[in-house]
Amino acid sequence: AQTVTQSQPEMSVQEAETVTLSCTYDTSESDYYLFWYKQPPSRQMILVIRQEAYKQQNATENRFSVNFQKAAKSFSLKISDSQLGDAAMYFCAYRDEYGNKLVFGAGTILRVKS
Amino acid sequence: KAGVTQTPRYLIKTRGQQVTLSCSPISGHRSVSWYQQTPGQGLQFLFEYFSETQRNKGNFPGRFSGRQFSNSRSEMNVSTLELGDSALYLCASSLNPGRNYGYTFGSGTRLTVV
Repeated sequence: AQTVTQSQPEMSVQEAETVTLSCTYDTSESDYYLFWYKQPPSRQMILVIRQEAYKQQNATENRFSVNFQKAAKSFSLKISDSQLGDAAMYFCAYRDEYGNKLVFGAGTILRVKS
Repeated sequence: KAGVTQTPRYLIKTRGQQVTLSCSPISGHRSVSWYQQTPGQGLQFLFEYFSETQRNKGNFPGRFSGRQFSNSRSEMNVSTLELGDSALYLCASSLNPGRNYGYTFGSGTRLTVV
């Protein structure tokens, strides 16, 4: 079974600075999808960025980018120019090639200091 | 367009009772998935419905059940509630099942069992 590990329960970053959230996963499959979701206090899970395993190029969405290391099974999220609105719980998630369920990590609380 | 709508937003039930939660997907989305979120277990997959059929099921006891209607709206039911069922229940909709389609989550139903 696939597992997702987020080793940082909590992270802090100064406004306008850069922060990196870590995620590792375990799978025997070669084709899959990886996601970062943000959950603010409103509780709604919001998709931040997604990466397709067969694409070597790292995904980027504005201030958010990933460092996808397939061989190391690592999928970290970099947030540049951090804003107060980035404060939330961030979840790393895995989805297999058949589009079955999302497997989530335990989450990382991100605090942004002004 | 309207997002994923979950009702009710909050619910308090007594141990032993049963409860029904509702999820209206984004218009045109035919796949609905349910997740349970607790501080101890994190986010866990409950089940997924597509075209009124259960496509996938997580490792939850038979007290947890669901269904999907012809308009793609979904309900999940928990019978004989236990204190451990207290959680945030999140619904996610997708255009279709499968890896190429992303999820959009609702804001969840917070269930408290007393």
